[in-house]
Amino acid sequence: KQEVTQIPAALSVPEGENLVLNCSFTDSAIYNLQWFRQDPGKGLTSLLLIQSSQREQTSGRLNASLDKSSGRSTLYIAASQPGDSATYLCAVREGSGGSNYKLTFGKGTLLTVNP
Amino acid sequence: EAQVTQNPRYLITVTGKKLTVTCSQNMNHEYMSWYRQDPGLGLRQIYYSMNVEVTDKGDVPEGYKVSRKEKRNFPLILESPSPNQTSLYFCASSIGTASPDTQYFGPGTRLTVL
Repeated sequence: KQEVTQIPAALSVPEGENLVLNCSFTDSAIYNLQWFRQDPGKGLTSLLLIQSSQREQTSGRLNASLDKSSGRSTLYIAASQPGDSATYLCAVREGSGGSNYKLTFGKGTLLTVNP
Repeated sequence: EAQVTQNPRYLITVTGKKLTVTCSQNMNHEYMSWYRQDPGLGLRQIYYSMNVEVTDKGDVPEGYKVSRKEKRNFPLILESPSPNQTSLYFCASSIGTASPDTQYFGPGTRLTVL
């Protein structure tokens, strides 16, 4: 059974710092990996999606990498801002696509960026 | 505006009283799914659907039913709710068969079963 782990569970940094969030998964047979942001009491917003054949994706100050063989992904946030404070979750879609759409989430990293 | 809507947003009910949480998307997405989010357990998939009349179990399907009679709607049915189904529920949708298959989430439904 796929298990997704996110480290650290919580992170507090001063504004302006660059930071890295980690996600690891036990079964490397994944179709894609997605990073989400969740604000308190709200739904999830997709940040970046990496297909299993890709190594990284970038959007603005965010960069996500994927090393499928080692079962790891990182989310790099450059020049952090207080507005980046939220819980960040990663999720893996299993299998080779098609009709298999099981998604497994990590428990998230709670990020606080202090002014 | 492209969105996933859920109703109701908040619901308090009693054990055994059947309820339905509706989910609708306006993006013509093939894939839809339900999740529950609990402290310390994270998000867990309940059921998903790849298309009309096609549904499959996620990790925690016990006590829930779903149906997909129309492409845009995917209701979650609790036939006999119990207190351990008190949770925050999310519906999500995506294109399903094309890439990138970005997930779009609804705002959530907070359910309390007394």
